[in-house]
Amino acid sequence: DIQMTQSPSSLSASVGDRVTITCRTSQSIGSYLNWYQQKPGKAPKLLIYDASSLQGGVPSRFSGSGSGTDFTLTISSLQPEDFATYSCQQSSSTPWTFGQGTRVEIK
Amino acid sequence: EVQLVESGGGLVQPGGSLRLSCAASGFTFSGYTMNWVRQAPGKGLEWVSFISTSGSFTHHADSVRGRFTISRDNAKNSLYLQMNSLRDEDTAVYYCVRDTGSNPRFDSWGQGTLVTVSS
Repeated sequence: DIQMTQSPSSLSASVGDRVTITCRTSQSIGSYLNWYQQKPGKAPKLLIYDASSLQGGVPSRFSGSGSGTDFTLTISSLQPEDFATYSCQQSSSTPWTFGQGTRVEIK
Repeated sequence: EVQLVESGGGLVQPGGSLRLSCAASGFTFSGYTMNWVRQAPGKGLEWVSFISTSGSFTHHADSVRGRFTISRDNAKNSLYLQMNSLRDEDTAVYYCVRDTGSNPRFDSWGQGTLVTVSS
């Protein structure tokens, strides 16, 4: 199975900050990496697919980059509604696996 | 609007069985592969099961293989998960999830249904 490691596991940031979350995979997955946002008590929401493609309806302040084993999710200017948990997921091979999540909290 | 509505969760004793259902609407259900993804309390997401558009191909995570069975009824726009020999570690919120793409992304999720395995 492909192991997913996200860092940091949590972070505190202020509105307007630039936030970067990293996801590393145990083997190369090309660009088959997706990012999700999850708020407490809610289902996850797809933000980014294929490493850098923005899902429809997602604000442009979200962006993704990377290939191979190292990937990044960036929020260019953190908004109040962005405080949530973010998870990466590889779609290169089954079983499809997720990172453990990064919780973004208000500073 | 895509809607996925799960039902069938609840409290069950270890070794027991439960059948989850997911009612789909707002899209051509028969044209999409579907999945179940779960999340244990306070934990990350775990993919559980996949089913092809026709239902002829299924795939399960090692943790549930031989105990869980995914199925679908395209005439009823419904997805199912039959869960047998339940264990404490199966306690989780179970999400019905649509995927898209040859390297799938999970683009639509239900609200989830809680399964609690406890004596």
